[in-house]
Amino acid sequence: EIVMTQSPATLSVSPGERATLSCRASQSFLTNVAWYQQKPGQAPRLLIYGASTRATGIPARFSGSGSGTEFTLNISSLQSEDFAVYYCQQYNNWPPEYTFGQGTKLEVK
Amino acid sequence: QVQLVQSGAEMKKPGASVKVSCKASGYTFIGYYMNWVRQAPGQGLEWMGWINPNSGGTKYVQKFQGRVTMTRDTSISTAYMELSGLTSDDTAVYYCARDGDGMAVWGQGTTVTVSS
Repeated sequence: EIVMTQSPATLSVSPGERATLSCRASQSFLTNVAWYQQKPGQAPRLLIYGASTRATGIPARFSGSGSGTEFTLNISSLQSEDFAVYYCQQYNNWPPEYTFGQGTKLEVK
Repeated sequence: QVQLVQSGAEMKKPGASVKVSCKASGYTFIGYYMNWVRQAPGQGLEWMGWINPNSGGTKYVQKFQGRVTMTRDTSISTAYMELSGLTSDDTAVYYCARDGDGMAVWGQGTTVTVSS
């Protein structure tokens, strides 16, 4: 079983600045990593899939990168609506199996 | 538009079962696997498994084997997740989420509370 470890658990950043969130896999695999944003009381929202492809309607300030065991979500120029919890997720190709990271809370500094 | 609408909140006693529904619209129901994900209060996301609406085939996380049953009714484009032997640890919001490149479409969530 692949374990996804996110860091840091909490990230404090000022609006307008850049945020970098990390996700490490316990073993190397193909770049099937997704990132989700979740706000209180809402369902998660898909931001990135395939490690670096933005989902439909996601602003360009969100970008994903990485391969092997190290993956990163970058959010440039943070907006007020970006402060939320972010989860990474790995998924096998077929049949799909999923593992979520424990989440990173992005809060206002 | 593509949408998943789940059934309402449930309150159950320990030992009981709960069945949550997820009605799909705006796309071909049998064309996409349906996942179930849960989130305990203040905790992260936990994938429970999926159902292939076309064949009825399922994949369950080992942790839930023997307690979870995922089914579907293609005539009404609805997926179901039934969890038995409930304990307080099963208190959570349960989501259905359409498979694809990541989980791009989510239901609104169903709160299941287990309490005596």
